Amino acid sequence: EAGVTQSPRYAVLQEGQAVSFWCDPISGHDTLYWYQQPRDQGPQLLVYFRDEAVIDNSQLPSDRFSAVRPKGTNSTLKIQSAKQGDTATYLCASSPPWGGQNTLYFGAGTRLSVL
Amino acid sequence: AQKVTQTQTSISVMEKTTVTMDCVYETQDSSYFLFWYKQTASGEIVFLIRQDSYKKENATVGHYSLNFQKPKSSIGLIITATQIEDSAVYFCAMREGNNNNAPRFGAGTKLSVKP
Repeated sequence: EAGVTQSPRYAVLQEGQAVSFWCDPISGHDTLYWYQQPRDQGPQLLVYFRDEAVIDNSQLPSDRFSAVRPKGTNSTLKIQSAKQGDTATYLCASSPPWGGQNTLYFGAGTRLSVL
Repeated sequence: AQKVTQTQTSISVMEKTTVTMDCVYETQDSSYFLFWYKQTASGEIVFLIRQDSYKKENATVGHYSLNFQKPKSSIGLIITATQIEDSAVYFCAMREGNNNNAPRFGAGTKLSVKP
């Protein structure tokens, strides 16, 4: 069974540039999460979906970040006009259909550096 | 609001000894799930073990076990007979039983196992 796939693995930007991250969850997993992990910190939730619906995007900086999952499978996280403070690893995770006890399966992450 | 706190930034132990990593959490829910994940040097995050709030018995998987102290809102991870390959960052996470909550993570504890 294929795991969670993310691309690209690395991205280096100048401030003000845009970038998109792509995630392909495990087949059959209806729930998909995007976490931001700054260096030496724990993963911090940005947004998560159940199928194509956004369940919680309250931590997503809405002025510059956006996330979609149009067909309930793959997802894209986009940063418009990146800032140095966005430097972090962006993690995608998926989990099987509800319940809450289901564990998360993480992708390898995209390491973003904003210069 | 849910909150997870890991106060130990780093721990160093000798191989084949036992180590305990601390985690305390805050929640208003009577039903919740507690998880420990491991992040290796490559950045890969994998699930280790879970404790359901309604279960009194401490979970055990292989050489991982939990010390669940519900009145203290505490969930410690115990690793017995540590191995060099246990060196990693360990994250505690909590998910409330509410269907619309995503897991929240602590800041992590870096474990170094020395020969």
